[in-house]
Amino acid sequence: ELKVEQNPLFLSMQEGKNYTIYCNYSTTSDRLYWYRQDPGKSLESLFVLLSNGAVKQEGRLMASLDTKARLSTLHITAAVHDLSATYFCAVDRGNNDMRFGAGTRLTVKP
Amino acid sequence: EAQVTQNPRYLITVTGKKLTVTCSQNMNHEYMSWYRQDPGLGLRQIYYSMNVEVTDKGDVPEGYKVSRKEKRNFPLILESPSPNQTSLYFCASSLNFGAGNEKLFFGSGTQLSVL
Repeated sequence: ELKVEQNPLFLSMQEGKNYTIYCNYSTTSDRLYWYRQDPGKSLESLFVLLSNGAVKQEGRLMASLDTKARLSTLHITAAVHDLSATYFCAVDRGNNDMRFGAGTRLTVKP
Repeated sequence: EAQVTQNPRYLITVTGKKLTVTCSQNMNHEYMSWYRQDPGLGLRQIYYSMNVEVTDKGDVPEGYKVSRKEKRNFPLILESPSPNQTSLYFCASSLNFGAGNEKLFFGSGTQLSVL
């Protein structure tokens, strides 16, 4: 059974600092997704990673996928308050249904 | 405006009273799915549909039904709701999930409370 684990679950960081959120999964998959959810809001698609070695960047966020290690990272560069949200990774189990991680609640403090 | 529309936004009901949560998308997407979100558990997939008349179970289908008679609509039906189905529900759609158009568009959510 596919398990998706995110670390950390809670992250408080200072503005201007860098940090990485990790997403590990337990069975083979080459499709991984990152989403953002603001409090009380719906989910917004951030990145779609479809192959080993895929790297995507948008603004201060960069996501990568290592299918051999079964690991994806979401790197935050020079954090700003607007990045405060909950970030989810999700893995396609190969039959077009997805399993989500529990989410990482990020708080960026001035 | 391209969007996924869920209704209602909030719903309080009692155990055993059948209810339907509607989901409609105006983007001609083939793929649609339902999730429930519970604290500490992330999102769990209930059902998904690759196209009209094609539906499949996700992680937690027990107690739920779906139908996909038209491309744009994907209602979630709780025939006999129970308190453990109290949750935040999201509908989502994608142009052609699994074929290179994987970006999911989510509805605004339905907060369901079953008393």
